[in-house]
Amino acid sequence: AQTVTQSQPEMSVQEAETVTLSCTYDTSENNYYLFWYKQPPSRQMILVIRQEAYKQQNATENRFSVNFQKAAKSFSLKISDSQLGDTAMYFCAFMLQGAQKLVFGQGTRLTINP
Amino acid sequence: EAQVTQNPRYLITVTGKKLTVTCSQNMNHEYMSWYRQDPGLGLRQIYYSMNVEVTDKGDVPEGYKVSRKEKRNFPLILESPSPNQTSLYFCASSLGSGLSGRKLFFGSGTQLSVL
Repeated sequence: AQTVTQSQPEMSVQEAETVTLSCTYDTSENNYYLFWYKQPPSRQMILVIRQEAYKQQNATENRFSVNFQKAAKSFSLKISDSQLGDTAMYFCAFMLQGAQKLVFGQGTRLTINP
Repeated sequence: EAQVTQNPRYLITVTGKKLTVTCSQNMNHEYMSWYRQDPGLGLRQIYYSMNVEVTDKGDVPEGYKVSRKEKRNFPLILESPSPNQTSLYFCASSLGSGLSGRKLFFGSGTQLSVL
Protein backbone atom coordinates (compact mmCIF):
# COMPACT_ATOMS: atom_id res chain seq x y z
CA ALA A 1 0.00 0.00 0.00
CA GLN A 2 1.11 3.52 -0.70
CA THR A 3 1.70 5.97 2.13
CA VAL A 4 2.41 9.70 2.22
CA THR A 5 4.13 11.40 5.14
CA GLN A 6 4.27 15.10 5.94
CA SER A 7 6.58 15.49 8.90
CA GLN A 8 5.83 19.16 9.65
CA PRO A 9 2.41 19.55 11.33
CA GLU A 10 2.77 23.33 11.48
CA MET A 11 4.96 26.03 9.99
CA SER A 12 5.03 29.78 10.30
CA VAL A 13 6.95 32.37 8.26
CA GLN A 14 6.92 36.10 7.64
CA GLU A 15 5.29 37.57 4.59
CA ALA A 16 7.59 37.69 1.52
CA GLU A 17 9.81 34.90 2.84
CA THR A 18 10.33 31.60 1.05
CA VAL A 19 9.06 28.44 2.73
CA THR A 20 9.47 24.76 1.89
CA LEU A 21 7.00 22.08 2.91
CA SER A 22 8.27 18.51 3.07
CA CYS A 23 6.61 15.36 1.76
CA THR A 24 7.84 11.82 1.43
CA TYR A 25 5.97 8.84 0.05
CA ASP A 26 6.37 5.11 -0.15
CA THR A 27 5.51 2.99 -3.16
CA SER A 28 6.94 0.07 -5.07
CA GLU A 29 5.34 1.29 -8.30
CA ASN A 30 7.15 3.27 -10.97
CA ASN A 31 4.34 5.21 -12.61
CA TYR A 32 2.34 7.64 -10.54
CA TYR A 33 1.34 11.26 -10.02
CA LEU A 34 2.02 13.62 -7.15
CA PHE A 35 0.00 16.62 -6.07
CA TRP A 36 -0.08 19.46 -3.59
CA TYR A 37 -3.47 20.71 -2.45
CA LYS A 38 -4.22 23.86 -0.48
CA GLN A 39 -7.11 24.05 1.98
CA PRO A 40 -7.79 27.58 3.25
CA PRO A 41 -10.16 28.26 6.18
CA SER A 42 -13.07 28.08 3.71
CA ARG A 43 -12.32 24.29 3.58
CA GLN A 44 -12.21 24.35 -0.22
CA MET A 45 -9.65 21.92 -1.71
CA ILE A 46 -7.55 23.77 -4.27
CA LEU A 47 -5.02 22.06 -6.52
CA VAL A 48 -1.72 23.94 -6.28
CA ILE A 49 0.63 21.89 -8.43
CA ARG A 50 1.02 18.40 -9.90
CA GLN A 51 3.85 16.26 -11.18
CA GLU A 52 4.09 13.13 -13.29
CA ALA A 53 6.65 10.71 -11.92
CA TYR A 54 8.21 9.98 -15.29
CA LYS A 55 9.06 13.66 -15.82
CA GLN A 56 12.40 14.63 -14.34
CA GLN A 57 11.75 18.35 -14.70
CA ASN A 58 10.26 19.88 -11.59
CA ALA A 59 6.82 21.43 -11.99
CA THR A 60 6.32 25.15 -11.38
CA GLU A 61 3.20 27.29 -11.11
CA ASN A 62 4.00 30.97 -10.60
CA ARG A 63 5.33 31.28 -7.01
CA PHE A 64 4.95 27.56 -6.35
CA SER A 65 7.51 24.97 -7.35
CA VAL A 66 8.37 21.43 -6.35
CA ASN A 67 11.58 19.55 -5.74
CA PHE A 68 10.85 16.03 -6.96
CA GLN A 69 13.47 13.46 -5.99
CA LYS A 70 12.18 10.15 -7.31
CA ALA A 71 14.95 7.95 -5.92
CA ALA A 72 14.52 9.47 -2.47
CA LYS A 73 10.70 9.41 -2.83
CA SER A 74 10.53 13.04 -1.86
CA PHE A 75 8.21 15.75 -3.18
CA SER A 76 8.66 19.08 -1.40
CA LEU A 77 6.76 22.29 -2.16
CA LYS A 78 8.49 25.66 -2.25
CA ILE A 79 6.47 28.84 -1.94
CA SER A 80 8.40 31.96 -2.94
CA ASP A 81 7.52 35.50 -1.91
CA SER A 82 4.87 34.17 0.47
CA GLN A 83 1.64 36.12 0.82
CA LEU A 84 -0.99 36.34 3.56
CA GLY A 85 -3.39 34.47 1.26
CA ASP A 86 -1.07 31.48 1.32
CA THR A 87 -2.13 30.79 4.91
CA ALA A 88 -3.80 27.38 4.72
CA MET A 89 -3.48 23.68 5.35
CA TYR A 90 -1.38 22.04 2.64
CA PHE A 91 -1.76 18.40 1.69
CA CYS A 92 0.63 16.29 -0.32
CA ALA A 93 -1.08 13.51 -2.28
CA PHE A 94 -0.17 10.50 -4.40
CA MET A 95 -2.04 8.70 -7.16
CA LEU A 96 -1.05 5.56 -9.01
CA GLN A 97 -1.23 5.66 -12.78
CA GLY A 98 -4.40 3.82 -13.79
CA ALA A 99 -6.09 4.61 -10.49
CA GLN A 100 -8.32 7.40 -9.33
CA LYS A 101 -7.64 7.30 -5.60
CA LEU A 102 -5.64 10.04 -3.95
CA VAL A 103 -3.59 9.00 -0.94
CA PHE A 104 -3.07 12.04 1.26
CA GLY A 105 -0.49 13.00 3.81
CA GLN A 106 -1.45 14.29 7.24
CA GLY A 107 -1.21 17.93 6.20
CA THR A 108 0.95 20.92 7.16
CA ARG A 109 -0.71 24.00 8.60
CA LEU A 110 1.11 27.02 7.17
CA THR A 111 0.71 30.48 8.64
CA ILE A 112 2.04 33.56 6.88
CA ASN A 113 2.56 36.42 9.34
CA PRO A 114 2.38 40.10 8.35
CA GLU B 1 -19.64 26.93 -14.20
CA ALA B 2 -17.97 23.55 -13.71
CA GLN B 3 -18.57 22.43 -10.17
CA VAL B 4 -19.26 19.69 -7.67
CA THR B 5 -22.24 20.53 -5.50
CA GLN B 6 -22.40 18.92 -2.10
CA ASN B 7 -25.18 19.32 0.48
CA PRO B 8 -25.63 20.02 3.28
CA ARG B 9 -22.61 22.05 4.32
CA TYR B 10 -23.18 21.37 8.02
CA LEU B 11 -25.13 18.56 9.63
CA ILE B 12 -25.70 17.66 13.26
CA THR B 13 -27.49 14.41 13.98
CA VAL B 14 -27.89 11.75 16.65
CA THR B 15 -26.61 8.21 16.78
CA GLY B 16 -28.63 5.82 14.64
CA LYS B 17 -30.60 8.35 12.61
CA LYS B 18 -30.14 7.61 8.91
CA LEU B 19 -28.81 10.44 6.78
CA THR B 20 -27.78 11.14 3.20
CA VAL B 21 -25.23 13.60 1.93
CA THR B 22 -25.84 14.52 -1.69
CA CYS B 23 -23.23 15.12 -4.36
CA SER B 24 -23.76 16.25 -7.94
CA GLN B 25 -21.33 17.22 -10.71
CA ASN B 26 -22.04 19.03 -13.98
CA MET B 27 -18.89 18.08 -15.89
CA ASN B 28 -19.95 14.67 -17.21
CA HIS B 29 -17.13 13.08 -15.23
CA GLU B 30 -16.77 9.30 -15.18
CA TYR B 31 -15.20 9.03 -11.72
CA MET B 32 -16.70 10.14 -8.45
CA SER B 33 -15.53 9.46 -4.93
CA TRP B 34 -16.04 10.26 -1.27
CA TYR B 35 -13.34 11.16 1.24
CA ARG B 36 -13.38 11.91 4.92
CA GLN B 37 -10.95 14.30 6.57
CA ASP B 38 -9.83 13.85 10.15
CA PRO B 39 -7.18 15.81 12.06
CA GLY B 40 -3.76 14.22 11.82
CA LEU B 41 -4.95 11.69 9.25
CA GLY B 42 -5.47 13.81 6.14
CA LEU B 43 -8.17 12.68 3.73
CA ARG B 44 -9.05 9.04 3.24
CA GLN B 45 -11.17 7.53 0.49
CA ILE B 46 -14.46 5.96 1.56
CA TYR B 47 -15.98 4.77 -1.73
CA TYR B 48 -15.53 5.47 -5.39
CA SER B 49 -17.45 4.94 -8.62
CA MET B 50 -16.05 4.47 -12.11
CA ASN B 51 -19.40 4.85 -13.85
CA VAL B 52 -23.13 4.36 -13.45
CA GLU B 53 -23.90 1.28 -11.33
CA VAL B 54 -20.16 0.64 -10.77
CA THR B 55 -18.94 1.32 -7.24
CA ASP B 56 -16.20 -0.05 -5.03
CA LYS B 57 -14.79 0.31 -1.55
CA GLY B 58 -12.02 2.68 -0.68
CA ASP B 59 -9.86 2.55 2.42
CA VAL B 60 -12.51 3.25 5.09
CA PRO B 61 -15.89 1.97 3.82
CA GLU B 62 -17.32 0.58 7.08
CA GLY B 63 -20.62 2.20 8.05
CA TYR B 64 -21.20 3.86 4.67
CA LYS B 65 -23.18 3.09 1.54
CA VAL B 66 -23.19 4.72 -1.88
CA SER B 67 -25.11 4.44 -5.12
CA ARG B 68 -24.58 5.70 -8.65
CA LYS B 69 -27.88 5.51 -10.50
CA GLU B 70 -27.14 8.58 -12.63
CA LYS B 71 -23.79 9.76 -13.91
CA ARG B 72 -24.03 13.16 -12.25
CA ASN B 73 -25.07 12.04 -8.74
CA PHE B 74 -23.22 10.08 -6.09
CA PRO B 75 -24.92 10.24 -2.67
CA LEU B 76 -23.27 9.04 0.54
CA ILE B 77 -25.57 7.21 2.94
CA LEU B 78 -25.02 6.61 6.63
CA GLU B 79 -27.69 4.11 7.63
CA SER B 80 -26.90 4.17 11.35
CA PRO B 81 -24.43 6.95 12.12
CA SER B 82 -22.12 6.64 15.10
CA PRO B 83 -19.97 9.27 16.86
CA ASN B 84 -16.80 7.95 15.18
CA GLN B 85 -18.26 9.10 11.88
CA THR B 86 -18.06 12.71 13.01
CA SER B 87 -15.82 14.16 10.33
CA LEU B 88 -15.48 16.51 7.37
CA TYR B 89 -16.65 14.82 4.19
CA PHE B 90 -15.72 15.65 0.61
CA CYS B 91 -17.16 14.49 -2.66
CA ALA B 92 -14.87 14.62 -5.70
CA SER B 93 -15.09 13.93 -9.41
CA SER B 94 -12.58 13.52 -12.22
CA LEU B 95 -12.52 12.87 -15.92
CA GLY B 96 -10.28 9.80 -15.94
CA SER B 97 -7.26 9.39 -18.15
CA GLY B 98 -3.98 11.29 -18.34
CA LEU B 99 -2.59 13.86 -15.97
CA SER B 100 -5.41 16.33 -16.58
CA GLY B 101 -7.90 13.54 -15.99
CA ARG B 102 -6.31 12.93 -12.61
CA LYS B 103 -7.29 16.38 -11.44
CA LEU B 104 -9.99 15.91 -8.83
CA PHE B 105 -12.70 18.53 -8.50
CA PHE B 106 -13.86 18.71 -4.90
CA GLY B 107 -17.15 19.77 -3.41
CA SER B 108 -17.20 22.36 -0.64
CA GLY B 109 -17.33 19.76 2.13
CA THR B 110 -19.90 18.60 4.69
CA GLN B 111 -19.06 18.92 8.37
CA LEU B 112 -20.95 16.11 10.10
CA SER B 113 -21.35 15.82 13.85
CA VAL B 114 -22.93 12.68 15.31
CA LEU B 115 -24.00 13.09 18.93
